[in-house]
Amino acid sequence: SSELTQDPAVSVALGQTVRITCQGDSLRSYYASWYQQKPGQAPVLVIYGKNNRPSGIPDRFSGSSSGNTASLTITGAQAEDEADYYCNSRDSSGNHLNVFGTGTKVTVL
Amino acid sequence: QVQLQESGPGLVKPSQTLSLTCTVSGGSISSGSYYWSWIRQPAGKGLEWIGRIYTSGSTNYNPSLKSRVTISVDTSKNQFSLKLSSVTAADTAVYYCARESVVPAAKGVNWFDPWGQGTLVTVSS
Repeated sequence: SSELTQDPAVSVALGQTVRITCQGDSLRSYYASWYQQKPGQAPVLVIYGKNNRPSGIPDRFSGSSSGNTASLTITGAQAEDEADYYCNSRDSSGNHLNVFGTGTKVTVL
Repeated sequence: QVQLQESGPGLVKPSQTLSLTCTVSGGSISSGSYYWSWIRQPAGKGLEWIGRIYTSGSTNYNPSLKSRVTISVDTSKNQFSLKLSSVTAADTAVYYCARESVVPAAKGVNWFDPWGQGTLVTVSS
């Protein structure tokens, strides 16, 4: 299966904008979905498809995709956005397998 | 809304088989075109997809675990299950079950929602 690579950690000042990227060959054929995980909690879906937010997810979260890179942008980061973020997509094997990204720790300063 | 809950032993001895069940409530496991997945996370590490089952019984597994994994479904109980054989300390993790939605398209998309709360399984003698 293919790999999805994320930066290990990023920081953002309160109220500013941060972009988290996810790179992998499979992203040329599949959109990524994005998950927020806070300590001790299960992951929560924040973005899926081209740029879809589940009910209850603030509109400061948005997604985009270009080539082999998917991005999650938090516009106007809040303290409660501090968490680990993971991307996910089908892999490029054609065998309908899934692969998660390596994860990015977002710190809100 | 649909909710998922994992259950099973929290402690498994090395070389034995880990067995977990995910109970789906608030909806039928057979309704809609959903897949049902298992995902795990060792302490301090990232998420690893283990495998999935469709209600028809068809399965897909992570190649790194395929030789040891079996996922099954019991539609009468609205449950699906995970068995992982020959476990070692490396299999110690929080195990999650999740519902996967898939939209086939020119550029495909899939996502996991909802997730269970997770259950910690420790492999130790």
